[in-house]
Order: sequence, then structure tokens, then C-alpha cells
Amino acid sequence: DGGITQSPKYLFRKEGQNVTLSCEQNLNHDAMYWYRQDPGQGLRLIYYSQIVNDFQKGDIAEGYSVSREKKESFPLTVTSAQKNPTAFYLCASMRGKGTEAFFGQGTRLTVV
Amino acid sequence: AQSVAQPEDQVNVAEGNPLTVKCTYSVSGNPYLFWYVQYPNRGLQFLLKYITGDNLVKGSYGFEAEFNKSQTSFHLKKPSALVSDSALYFCAVGGRQLTFGSGTQLTVLP
Repeated sequence: DGGITQSPKYLFRKEGQNVTLSCEQNLNHDAMYWYRQDPGQGLRLIYYSQIVNDFQKGDIAEGYSVSREKKESFPLTVTSAQKNPTAFYLCASMRGKGTEAFFGQGTRLTVV
Repeated sequence: AQSVAQPEDQVNVAEGNPLTVKCTYSVSGNPYLFWYVQYPNRGLQFLLKYITGDNLVKGSYGFEAEFNKSQTSFHLKKPSALVSDSALYFCAVGGRQLTFGSGTQLTVLP
């Protein structure tokens, strides 16, 4: 089945640690996105990539980093510089302008 | 800049009654508008979109949305609500980057 797979579903991070969230898609979509979801705030864009080896900052990129070495993969690293990382993280992909986004099932990150 | 507003955090409706979830938008040029639904601890699922054409757009699970250019609105509607429609609904605008509203929690009461 075609789709987007995020892993892990739940992730716990200690203070000062970097953690990486995985996002893989087999839809052959060029564009991929990372969103952060907090209660009552909707989805906020962290980073996006329109093509392999290229990515741009979204609205809340500070404390996060990404890479896009393969079309299928768009991992997100939450660094120790992100002061409030506890949130639900969603990865998405789109085929092109004006097309619907496909979402993964999300990763819930908790700082312990 | 593009933006979306969902003025209601919570909408309650009785099963079998019609439902409306409101959305207004701001964008330069012609809008690409979307509705998504989210169930607890899950990703978003696409319901419907407006690009051009008829102002009434039909989507999944019996949902439809009415595009009103003069009021810059794109309200989600369903003629007869089901308990299983209870979920978090998001309106979004954009072409290559989507901007989402803050979401509306719909509760359908049996």
C-alpha cells in the first residue's frame, strides 16, 4: 500500500539530547513537510522540501534540523536547542501544487 | 501571506441534524482550500478541496463545503451528522505550502 510511515509512534527524550524522527513515503511525491501540533494551535510548519537535497525553513524551524538525501525520506532531528519539544509531530507529502497532502500517523515526543 | 481562521473551537450537534464547521481565509489571488479530519493520536485525513469550478464541493463520507468568494469563507457541511463524525476538523489554504486553522472539535451527540 502507498503511504507515509512515521516512526517511532512514541519517543521520549532526556534534557540535552538530540532525537531523530523518521518519515518515509512510497508515493513518489516530490514535496515533503514536517509539522508540529500543539493543543489549540493547529499545525505549524517546521521545515519543508520540494526536491531532493533542498529544503527550506518553515515558521518554527529554530531548534530543528532536516535532511533530504533521498526522495523517499525526510528525517527530522529535534536538537537540544529546542526548548519546548514536547508535541505531536506530523510528516506529510504532496504530489504538486494544489494537490492534497498525505499525512503519516504522527510521532508523539515527550521530554522526561 | 496566507491565513485561515476557524472561529469555533467546539461545535456540538445532535445525531441526524445538519452540521456546519466554519472557516474563513485570507490569500492573494485564487485560493486552494482544503478540509482535513483528525481522529485522536492519528494523522490528518483529506476530506475535500476547492481549486476552481463549482462553489459547492463534495467530498468523502458525505461531507461537502461551500466556497464563498465575497465572504472569503469555505464552510464544511453535512446534511445529517453521525456519532462517528466526532473528530477534530482543520481547514487549510495554500498551493505548495499549506497553512492550517487552529481546528474545530466536532462532537455529535447520540
